[in-house]
Amino acid sequence: GAGVSQSPRYKVTKRGQDVALRCDPISGHVSLYWYRQALGQGPEFLTYFNYEAQQDKSGLPNDRFSAERPEGSISTLTIQRTEQRDSAMYRCASSLGTRSYEQYFGPGTRLTVT
Amino acid sequence: AQSVAQPEDQVNVAEGNPLTVKCTYSVSGNPYLFWYVQYPNRGLQFLLKYITGDNLVKGSYGFEAEFNKSQTSFHLKKPSALVSDSALYFCAVRPLSSGSARQLTFGSGTQLTVLP
Repeated sequence: GAGVSQSPRYKVTKRGQDVALRCDPISGHVSLYWYRQALGQGPEFLTYFNYEAQQDKSGLPNDRFSAERPEGSISTLTIQRTEQRDSAMYRCASSLGTRSYEQYFGPGTRLTVT
Repeated sequence: AQSVAQPEDQVNVAEGNPLTVKCTYSVSGNPYLFWYVQYPNRGLQFLLKYITGDNLVKGSYGFEAEFNKSQTSFHLKKPSALVSDSALYFCAVRPLSSGSARQLTFGSGTQLTVLP
């Protein structure tokens, strides 16, 4: 079946603009995770959901970042008033459940803030 | 808090030779351990995992990893490297105990280059 998809794949925005990044998990996957990956580094956790409930948002760097998954499927990560330091690859992953250990990653959204 | 160390930024190996990519971890209690591979312009692909049981875990594409609790290591291995194995490899950990964090903590990655 289809894997995790993310859109857009590339996003260039001006400093101060808001952006919304979308993640469509594998069908039937309960858990959805957002990570951010800087160049040359491993992914770093941002937040995760079980169904529509946000279980942990401890990795969100500040209150400009928010995420939702209103119907327990597609999720949106929103960054308000973007800054150049927000430039990174944003990756989404899903798993069958939190007891289903491996996470399957999407291709990522490359965000560049100019 | 958990952490992962991949001490080598770069590993070069000749095609046909065995390869090892090193990983050590720190976590409270018992760990779940994972290896992922990242090819250029693609997402991370799951290779293998250790949960419990046999310390030698076999995964995709002929890769295997050995869990060593006393050395807190989970090194990735392959008996005979292929040029197509050249990629960026990430080790990741999460705690085993219920109620603990579900997210993965990744190492900084090791770039594997297999030379023809």
